[in-house]
Amino acid sequence: AQSVTQLGSHVSVSEGALVLLRCNYSSSVPPYLFWYVQYPNQGLQLLLKYTSAATLVKGINGFEAEFKKSETSFHLTKPSAHMRDAAEYFCAVRATSGTYKYIFGTGTRLKVLA
Amino acid sequence: EAQVTQNPRYLITVTGKKLTVTCSQNMNHEYMSWYRQDPGLGLRQIYYSMNVEVTDKGDVPEGYKVSRKEKRNFPLILESPSPNQTSLYFCASKISGTGLLQETQYFGPGTRLLVL
Repeated sequence: AQSVTQLGSHVSVSEGALVLLRCNYSSSVPPYLFWYVQYPNQGLQLLLKYTSAATLVKGINGFEAEFKKSETSFHLTKPSAHMRDAAEYFCAVRATSGTYKYIFGTGTRLKVLA
Repeated sequence: EAQVTQNPRYLITVTGKKLTVTCSQNMNHEYMSWYRQDPGLGLRQIYYSMNVEVTDKGDVPEGYKVSRKEKRNFPLILESPSPNQTSLYFCASKISGTGLLQETQYFGPGTRLLVL
């Protein structure tokens, strides 16, 4: 069965500092991987996705993630945090065949300190 | 404007009183899905639909029903709500198929449900 684990339910960074949000997946074959962002009182918005093309994926708002098969990871990074990045971030996975089920992680709330 | 709409946005009900949460999308998407979001548990998929009259269970389907009679609508039905179904519910849709372009789900604004 597939699963995703997000390490750290809360992460705080200073404005201008590196953002690193961790996601590890469990799957017998490399799945499709996603990062979504949820701003307060809103629905989710796709940040970026990996679908077996380039392993370094660039998304919106300056975020990027690298798929590392050897580490079964898909960590989200941004070189310089902005106040507007404060939100909850979810990693998600879907098998590449046989099912259209999506599995989401438990989320990481990012706080950006002035 | 391309969007997924949900109604109602907020609902308070009592145990056992049947309710329906509607979801509609105007993007001609084949795939639609329902999720519930609970603190510390993230999002969990309830049901999804690949197209009209085609539905399948997600990870937490117990206590819920869905139907897909029209492409644009995917209502979520709670026939006998219980307090453990108090949650924030999201509907989502996307184009059918796989690949970079197709793998983008568009989420509605959410429906906050309280079952007393």
